[in-house]
Amino acid sequence: DQQVKQNSPSLSVQEGRISILNCDYTNSMFDYFLWYKKYPAEGPTFLISISSIKDKNEDGRFTVFLNKSAKHLSLHIVPSQPGDSAVYFCAALDSNYQLIWGAGTKLIIKP
Amino acid sequence: SQTIHQWPATLVQPVGSPLSLECTVEGTSNPNLYWYRQAAGRGLQLLFYSVGIGQISSEVPQNLSASRPQDRQFILSSKKLLLSDSGFYLCAWSKGGLPYNEQFFGPGTRLTVL
Repeated sequence: DQQVKQNSPSLSVQEGRISILNCDYTNSMFDYFLWYKKYPAEGPTFLISISSIKDKNEDGRFTVFLNKSAKHLSLHIVPSQPGDSAVYFCAALDSNYQLIWGAGTKLIIKP
Repeated sequence: SQTIHQWPATLVQPVGSPLSLECTVEGTSNPNLYWYRQAAGRGLQLLFYSVGIGQISSEVPQNLSASRPQDRQFILSSKKLLLSDSGFYLCAWSKGGLPYNEQFFGPGTRLTVL
């Protein structure tokens, strides 16, 4: 029973265009969400987060949007760069302050 | 600055053999420590976490165990590996205490059980 779902295993985007990575969750009690980026054979690194009191958080080229009624969040990367090619994980913080992870989406930026 | 080390980077072990993966953190004290596993095509699964020396919480039943003999040392072990134990194992740390603090990950260990 996956509480955090990333339904797209992979996504291919042209360099310079917008990348949109989606994430859905089932537990309405989740109130803090994070995106991590992972390169092959490395540990994930924190990218950006959002609290449920906000519907948008922006950090440079990265923006995360949260739609609580739809239990959906998305990560926008604009403009996409070759170095953005990686696996992106969505995670939600549960009531025990543990992270519940999605399966990840592999983003491929084409030159 | 804080750093986290994991070793070995890769490991190939036969079924039924023992396992010991080590993780150490430098530059901080009393961190929360975590062991995750990423299986092929799946997200990160939390295996164990520890809020202090000798304090281990297990998230899933399995043939793995964890120990924290020192404040900044976290060890993942198994007495007999199964094929299903293959995967990418990640150690992570966060600053101790609540509320949530960002987790920082080590480089990971690729374990292949044959």
